[in-house]
Amino acid sequence: EAQVTQNPRYLITVTGKKLTVTCSQNMNHEYMSWYRQDPGLGLRQIYYSMNVEVTDKGDVPEGYKVSRKEKRNFPLILESPSPNQTSLYFCASRGQGAVLDEQYFGPGTRLTVT
Amino acid sequence: GQNIDQPTEMTATEGAIVQINCTYQTSGFNGLFWYQQHAGEAPTFLSYNVLDGLEEKGRFSSFLSRSKGYSYLLLKELQMKDSASYLCAVISDKLIFGTGTRLQVFP
Repeated sequence: EAQVTQNPRYLITVTGKKLTVTCSQNMNHEYMSWYRQDPGLGLRQIYYSMNVEVTDKGDVPEGYKVSRKEKRNFPLILESPSPNQTSLYFCASRGQGAVLDEQYFGPGTRLTVT
Repeated sequence: GQNIDQPTEMTATEGAIVQINCTYQTSGFNGLFWYQQHAGEAPTFLSYNVLDGLEEKGRFSSFLSRSKGYSYLLLKELQMKDSASYLCAVISDKLIFGTGTRLQVFP
């Protein structure tokens, strides 16, 4: 089954404690991205990657890091989480064939930083 | 700047028809997507429009007017399970999402 998986699905942590949210897709997609979703603000892109070893900032990259060492994986790293990073996070992927290729979303990770 | 506007909330009755509007102002335009998102879940793809006109897909249709920067999603024969948020997203140099319209369907 074609899918994007994320782990963990729920996470409560404390300020300053480094964490990583994993994302993996099994569709051999080149393009992957991370979004955060907050009430009233919609989905905002954090980082994206056009292919292995190619990453770029989205609209709200501050406080986040990513890496793309393998095509299937695109982890999101919060080196020193803060309460304003409490949010619902989605990983997404799509093929590079056309801009209009459907984007597949992971199930989401609900992060709370206290 | 880039801006996508949708109504925040709408209500409708089971069996009815509802139209969710989306207006956009973006630096470029390569297409428009509609996604459905149930509370706490991932967005799922509904439709996309590249050219002006109506695209029909079962109970869902989406319309685009590029000259007006306008799209709508039409949902027919509403069911309770259609209660969800509906996200309009425009592809310019990247995919930009509106804040979504929360639709509540009542019996």
